[in-house]
Amino acid sequence: GENVEQHPSTLSVQEGDSAVIKCTYSDSASNYFPWYKQELGKGPQLIIDIRSNVGEKKDQRIAVTLNKTAKHFSLHITETQPEDSAVYFCAASKVGAGGTSYGKLTFGQGTILTVHP
Amino acid sequence: KAGVTQTPRYLIKTRGQQVTLSCSPISGHRSVSWYQQTPGQGLQFLFEYFSETQRNKGNFPGRFSGRQFSNSRSEMNVSTLELGDSALYLCASRLGSYSGYEQYFGPGTRLTVT
Repeated sequence: GENVEQHPSTLSVQEGDSAVIKCTYSDSASNYFPWYKQELGKGPQLIIDIRSNVGEKKDQRIAVTLNKTAKHFSLHITETQPEDSAVYFCAASKVGAGGTSYGKLTFGQGTILTVHP
Repeated sequence: KAGVTQTPRYLIKTRGQQVTLSCSPISGHRSVSWYQQTPGQGLQFLFEYFSETQRNKGNFPGRFSGRQFSNSRSEMNVSTLELGDSALYLCASRLGSYSGYEQYFGPGTRLTVT
C-alpha cells in the first residue's frame, strides 16, 4: 500500500522566516495531496491541497509544490507568524476514475512547527 | 455552514466494554471517513462510508465497525475494548461527488480505555 514519509519531524523558525516541510510518497498512482494543520485539542484543518495535474499551487503565504517524477511534494510557508505554530501533516490519496473518488488518506508522521516571536 | 460534529468529545471506558461514537457530516456531504490518531501510529484510516455503504476499509481488526444512516450521519463501534484502543477518533466528511476530493475533519472523540 501507499507509504508517506514526512520530514522534518520538528521545525523551529523565527517569526518572519520561511518554513519548508517535505513529503515523499511510494504509490505512483496517488494523485491528490492535501496538507493539514492541527492545533492542540482540535481536528486537522485542511490548509491547501494539490492534484497531480498541477505542479504548484499558492494561497497567500502558503504554497505547495509537487514533483511527480520524484514522488515528492512540499509545503512552503513564508513570513511565518506565531499563530502558524502547530503540527502539520501531509497526506496522499488515490482518486478513482469514472466519476468516483476515494476517501482513504495516507498521512505522513507530522511536523511540529514552532514559530518564535 | 456548520462543520463536522462529533459526539461525545471525551469518553472513558473499561477494557472489554464496547463503545459507539457518532459523527454528523457537513450539510450536503455524503461521504464520511473515520481515522484513528495515536502518538505512536499517527493518523490511520479506519473506513469510509458513502450512501450508507462501506466503500473502503483500513487494516484494523473486525472489532472496529461502522455504519452510515440515510441522512449521512455515521457511527463507529469498537467492541471488546483493549488498552491499545485509547486514541483520538476523527471523522471527516466530503461531498462524495467526483469533485469532492477535500476532506474536512471534526474535532474528534478522545477515547481512554482503562
